[in-house]
Amino acid sequence: AQRVTQPEKLLSVFKGAPVELKCNYSYSGSPELFWYVQYSRQRLQLLLRHISRESIKGFTADLNKGETSFHLKKPFAQEEDSAMYYCALRVDSNYQLIWGAGTKLIIKP
Amino acid sequence: DVKVTQSSRYLVKRTGEKVFLECVQDMDHENMFWYRQDPGLGLRLIYFSYDVKMKEKGDIPEGYSVSREKKERFSLILESASTNQTSMYLCASQWAGSSNQPQHFGDGTRLSIL
Repeated sequence: AQRVTQPEKLLSVFKGAPVELKCNYSYSGSPELFWYVQYSRQRLQLLLRHISRESIKGFTADLNKGETSFHLKKPFAQEEDSAMYYCALRVDSNYQLIWGAGTKLIIKP
Repeated sequence: DVKVTQSSRYLVKRTGEKVFLECVQDMDHENMFWYRQDPGLGLRLIYFSYDVKMKEKGDIPEGYSVSREKKERFSLILESASTNQTSMYLCASQWAGSSNQPQHFGDGTRLSIL
């Protein structure tokens, strides 16, 4: 069955430190992966998608099909990065997404 | 900018009541979704609608129904509310032109069932 795993429920790093939020998926086909972010008291919103190969707010994510991973990285964390981050997988040309449980990122000053 | 509006930010109801959660989007999106968001469980899809009067069950449809009479409005109905339906409910809409289009979310409704 398709699944998205975010092994860390909570991740806390100091401002300026590198940050990596892990996302692993299980799917035998060709996946499409997304990172969504929810800042405090704001709505959930798309951060980036692997198909765009973009960097948003300094974050990047590379799809590694061999390791079935889509980790989110930023070299220097900022306090405003504190938020809840969700990894999501789309399969089979379906509009529905399979969501991970989320990782709460706390950036300490 | 896409606007997805959920009728209530907070709602308190009693066990056994019939509860309606409303969601309206202003971008003429074909697809609309209802999720539950619970700590440690992420987002779980309750129902999905891809057109007016069209719906599909998600992962956890039990105890819920939906209504899509107009394209812009997608309602979630708790037929007989129970305490285990206390949760944050998120509505989302999506343009159907391409399946890798983002889902746009509302602010959520925090529902408490007493």
